[in-house]
Amino acid sequence: DTAVSQTPKYLVTQMGNDKSIKCEQNLGHDTMYWYKQDSKKFLKIMFSYNNKELIINETVPNRFSPKSPDKAHLNLHINSLELGDSAVYFCASSQRIGAAADTQYFGPGTRLTVL
Amino acid sequence: AQSVTQPDIHITVSEGASLELRCNYSYGATPYLFWYVQSPGQGLQLLLKYFSGDTLVQGIKGFEAEFKRSQSSFNLRKPSVHWSDAAEYFCAVGGGATNKLIFGTGTLLAVQP
Repeated sequence: DTAVSQTPKYLVTQMGNDKSIKCEQNLGHDTMYWYKQDSKKFLKIMFSYNNKELIINETVPNRFSPKSPDKAHLNLHINSLELGDSAVYFCASSQRIGAAADTQYFGPGTRLTVL
Repeated sequence: AQSVTQPDIHITVSEGASLELRCNYSYGATPYLFWYVQSPGQGLQLLLKYFSGDTLVQGIKGFEAEFKRSQSSFNLRKPSVHWSDAAEYFCAVGGGATNKLIFGTGTLLAVQP
């Protein structure tokens, strides 16, 4: 069974569109994250949620809105897509918050291409 | 400011040769240090982590890393590289109440026959 899954794996869309990426973890973890990996492979955290509560919001444009319907899911909705949003988006989860040594388990990534 | 530096963008080694990937960090408190590997088109897999205790940590796939506080380093090593080790390697530092990971820019490892 896949521990952290994301859908879709690839997403190609036009500028100005609105799109969502879904993430689910079946590890029973309390904390979930979204990371963005740019074209130079640089990985940067965007958001984290702990048990449906927003913990980290790293100066991300408000066109990006995470939504956590329950602690096993953290979806990322992006409004008015721009060319610069093209990247690979990774979801991750860890057992709990405040335990920095906890391993973060990553999903396979969603490659978003904005044309 | 918290940061991670991986000085080598790209390294090529011969299969069977030893490997050392460098990682330096800047962190105000006790760092928690991680090495992740990303194979082409894949997500990140944890190789090993350090948070306390023995400064030499063993990981999966025959990798190890040594934490040197005096040098602010956490270099990754493997005594004999296999062709399947070709991938991108990321060093990361975490800590604090939010469990936020800060990644280095990665080192791309190529393995030649």
